[in-house]
Amino acid sequence: DAGVIQSPRHEVTEMGQEVTLRCKPISGHDYLFWYRQTMMRGLELLIYFNNNVPIDDSGMPEDRFSAKMPNASFSTLKIQPSEPRDSAVYFCASSDGNTIYFGEGSWLTVV
Amino acid sequence: AQTVTQSQPEMSVQEAETVTLSCTYDTSESNYYLFWYKQPPSRQMILVIRQEAYKQQNATENRFSVNFQKAAKSFSLKISDSQLGDTAMYFCAFTVMQGGSEKLVFGKGTKLTVNP
Repeated sequence: DAGVIQSPRHEVTEMGQEVTLRCKPISGHDYLFWYRQTMMRGLELLIYFNNNVPIDDSGMPEDRFSAKMPNASFSTLKIQPSEPRDSAVYFCASSDGNTIYFGEGSWLTVV
Repeated sequence: AQTVTQSQPEMSVQEAETVTLSCTYDTSESNYYLFWYKQPPSRQMILVIRQEAYKQQNATENRFSVNFQKAAKSFSLKISDSQLGDTAMYFCAFTVMQGGSEKLVFGKGTKLTVNP
């Protein structure tokens, strides 16, 4: 299996621009997670889906963040408008209900 | 609140020696899984080892093993015969099973350096 695939791996964008991060989970996994990692706050769960349905989005920092999972093999995390404090590594992860496997992360820098 | 505490922000060990990373957690749940993840400088999160809370036997994965003390809510990671490639951040985490769903709770990590 190819594992969890994220794109882009790196993105530098200007404040105010829209950012879209993409994720393809491992085939057959029912759960999909979006995490954010910063030096200050460590790893934070933003949102997770079960069978394409958002279950818990309490970690989404504000309305500028939105996530969708239109089908079992694709999810997006969108930030609009982006701000410098959104700079972080964003991880997508998927799970079969027992173990969570992470993608390689998307490094976002907002200048 | 469900929390994970890693009391050692940084550790170092000589190559070929053994090192133990500490982790304690707090949860009122009875059904959960425990994990150690490794994050090398590439920032990729790599699963190292996994333990089911209902199993008494400690998990082992090659040079990596855990000491799981359920009553004490302790889950330490032992790395034997340390190698330079083991240099990384190590995160302890547990998954709380909630009605069939799960949320992974992480500690703040321990930075391990293996010295030649």
